[in-house]
Amino acid sequence: GAVVSQHPSWVICKSGTSVKIECRSLDFQATTMFWYRQFPKQSLMLMATSNEGSKATYEQGVEKDKFLINHASLTLSTLTVTSAHPEDSSFYICSKARGGTDTQYFGPGTRLTVL
Amino acid sequence: DAKTTQPPSMDCAEGRAANLPCNHSTISGNEYVYWYRQIHSQGPQYIIHGLKNNETNEMASLIITEDRKSSTLILPHATLRDTAVYYCIVRVGSDYKLSFGAGTTVTVRA
Repeated sequence: GAVVSQHPSWVICKSGTSVKIECRSLDFQATTMFWYRQFPKQSLMLMATSNEGSKATYEQGVEKDKFLINHASLTLSTLTVTSAHPEDSSFYICSKARGGTDTQYFGPGTRLTVL
Repeated sequence: DAKTTQPPSMDCAEGRAANLPCNHSTISGNEYVYWYRQIHSQGPQYIIHGLKNNETNEMASLIITEDRKSSTLILPHATLRDTAVYYCIVRVGSDYKLSFGAGTTVTVRA
């Protein structure tokens, strides 16, 4: 299957700090990348969609100024959680597709814990 | 708005076939059926997808009924590593969104 990496795999930070999560496509160039989050015992929820070279599209209820997404190249998208709070603690997962309607392939996820 | 209905959980024996049902009675003609699975604390893994014909790959087979209102994912020889949450998702071909429901928690027992 298609290969996606995320870094870091887990991170613990203090409340008020910012955390950057990287998502890399290791095989094909991904025009579109997606960011999801998953709270314990819940299903995945789409946060935003990013297309290379353009601004991300955020889902309703997701604060764009808090969750900064940069998709600077066809193989890298980053999610920065700014001024993190304990309620932002979650499992963040990215996915990629060659184009927006193509099959999505997911990364291994990043577990964020905010103290 | 749930587009698919799956049983919350099921057990199956190692080495036997696992048949996972999914109802999607309101599916539209341009909606695909996708299956993913998520092993604990990992990202979802793509398994298979189809529109109306049955599909098979190295992981599984997908059987879609003629009226397309339901489908079955078949894992031909379940192993302990197949223990996971399996998600059945319908997606319009022109829409990128994947809406994950609760899925079916499959436990493969030795």
